[in-house]
Amino acid sequence: DIQMTQSPSSLSASVGDRVTITCRASQRVNNYLNWYQQKPGKAPKLLIFAASSLQNGVPSRFSGSGSGTDFTLTISSLQLEDFATYYCQQSYNTLYTFGQGTKLEIK
Amino acid sequence: QLQLQESGPGLVTPSETLSLTCSVSGGSIINRNYYWGWIRQPPGKGLEWIGSIFYGGTTYYNPSLKSRVTISVDASRNQVSLKLSSVTAADTAFYFCATTYLGTVYYFDSWGQGPLVTVSS
Repeated sequence: DIQMTQSPSSLSASVGDRVTITCRASQRVNNYLNWYQQKPGKAPKLLIFAASSLQNGVPSRFSGSGSGTDFTLTISSLQLEDFATYYCQQSYNTLYTFGQGTKLEIK
Repeated sequence: QLQLQESGPGLVTPSETLSLTCSVSGGSIINRNYYWGWIRQPPGKGLEWIGSIFYGGTTYYNPSLKSRVTISVDASRNQVSLKLSSVTAADTAFYFCATTYLGTVYYFDSWGQGPLVTVSS
């Protein structure tokens, strides 16, 4: 299995802050890396695919970067609706695996 | 945009088989651009991919669950089904139906609501 490790596991921030979440893969996944946002009681929502491509309808304050084993999700200016849990996910091989999640909370 | 809706019992007895159906609207299951799959999430925990199926019947399962999982497609009803046998309390989770878009990179782009299935006597 490819293990996905996110850091931090939780993060407190304020509206307007710039936030970065990191995801590391246990082996190279090239750019086969996706990011999701999940709010309580809801299904995950795709934000970024292929490491840096923004899904249709997702605000441009979200961006992704990285390749190989190290990736980042950045929110340039936090809005109230961005407080949620974020997951990375690799699709390099068919045994798809997710990171453990990063919970973004209001400071 | 595809819409997915899961249905099935919310309570399953230990050692029995969990069965869920995902009804697809807004498009046909006979679509070479997608896998149809299942992902679960124990309450308060992270996401685990269970398995996926192509409309032609090719399946891919998480090795950790493979001996207990069957995913199938009913094209005439535009539905995908999940069966998980010999369940225990550890199988209690929210179960999401999700599409995998088969682009240059594969990703889960449409999700169902994810009902909670509790395993308890």
